[in-house]
Amino acid sequence: DVKVTQSSRYLVKRTGEKVFLECVQDMDHENMFWYRQDPGLGLRLIYFSYDVKMKEKGDIPEGYSVSREKKERFSLILESASTNQTSMYLCASRQGATNEKLFFGSGTQLSVL
Amino acid sequence: AQSVSQHNHHVILSEAASLELGCNYSYGGTVNLFWYVQYPGQHLQLLLKYFSGDPLVKGIKGFEAEFIKSKFSFNLRKPSVQWSDTAEYFCAVTPTDSWGKFQFGAGTQVVVTP
Repeated sequence: DVKVTQSSRYLVKRTGEKVFLECVQDMDHENMFWYRQDPGLGLRLIYFSYDVKMKEKGDIPEGYSVSREKKERFSLILESASTNQTSMYLCASRQGATNEKLFFGSGTQLSVL
Repeated sequence: AQSVSQHNHHVILSEAASLELGCNYSYGGTVNLFWYVQYPGQHLQLLLKYFSGDPLVKGIKGFEAEFIKSKFSFNLRKPSVQWSDTAEYFCAVTPTDSWGKFQFGAGTQVVVTP
């Protein structure tokens, strides 16, 4: 079965810190996604990547950047963490077809103090 | 831009009751439609999906959904719920002509009481 691994389950950071969230998938999937999940707002797309070194902004990219140097790894970067970035962050991957389902990681609960 | 709207944020019902969760989307082109479920403490997982053919699709655990193109709707149903169906349910849409825009609704928290 596909495995999407997020490096940390819980993370606590201070305002202004640079934060890296890592995601690795083991099924050679082309597409990878970063979402944040907040109560009452569902999942909101931050960035996605449809191939190595390819990335596109989602609906809420402000304050975030991403890196995809290798096919299996998709990193989310918070350049200067702020308290309103406290959230659950979910990584997902998919084979490169629009009717394919997403496979999700277990999430990283980030708290910015 | 596309959007996905789920009608209810919270639903509470008793075991054996029927469940219907509404989902509407707005997008001018052809879409693929999904329902995902998140059980407490678990990953999001796929319940069912529609991308063509019979508009009534069946998924896991007795769930089904009907795509009504004229209403831009993809409602989820289960005739008789169990306590183990307590979870958060998300409708999701992705255009067939776009790689990335896999968009989710706000979710519906379903609580099934014994």
